[in-house]
Amino acid sequence: EVQLLESGGGLVQPGGSLRLSCAASGFTFSSYAMSWVRQAPGKGLEWVSGINSYGDRTYYADSVKGRFTISRDDSKNTLYLQMNSLRDEDTALYYCAREAPWGRWNDFYVWGQGTLVTVSS
Amino acid sequence: QSALTQPASVSGSPGQSITISCTGTSSDVGGYDYVSWYQQYPGKAPKLMIYDVSNRPSGVSNRFSASKSGNTASLTISGLQAEDEADYYCCSYTTSSTLVVFGGGTKLTVL
Repeated sequence: EVQLLESGGGLVQPGGSLRLSCAASGFTFSSYAMSWVRQAPGKGLEWVSGINSYGDRTYYADSVKGRFTISRDDSKNTLYLQMNSLRDEDTALYYCAREAPWGRWNDFYVWGQGTLVTVSS
Repeated sequence: QSALTQPASVSGSPGQSITISCTGTSSDVGGYDYVSWYQQYPGKAPKLMIYDVSNRPSGVSNRFSASKSGNTASLTISGLQAEDEADYYCCSYTTSSTLVVFGGGTKLTVL
């Protein structure tokens, strides 16, 4: 079964750091681009960051550029999101998402269940 | 990068058809045929319903159709059913400083 399982969320103070992980299973992880998409409580979806299948191209939303870093470890079938200098507005459910087999950046074919990040003092 | 513009809510009766619009710019919706649509139930992860403007992934009902004209994409749901009540998001590739942009979302209510 194709599956994505996020972890690493929690409560952090403003200015703090957190690293999210997304463990993939049931497919060849190294063949797919991956993204993080977040959803603030009661709000819409916001694409956060993406990484290509080779791991040498990364992309970020303006709202997180310079603060977040996406990476992948194909040997562990795991996607990461290092989040630094966290702000209140980063509070959200963070989803890990896999691209579709036909390979469009905006076609998220597989989603995890999400991990909740709360930034609050 | 501003989000794509969607109506906050739409509604329809069972059996009717509804259309949700998604307006962007020539840098995203209007510039490429890379528009997708997602359905999301409360407390659940989104599900891909449409890709490349008008294509349905395997398993998605043919009651869902979509198109694009200029900078505006549209999702149409025909033969509305109670189970269609959900939030719907459009999404596009963009040549702006980011890579992907979502719409603000539309809440569909089946009356």
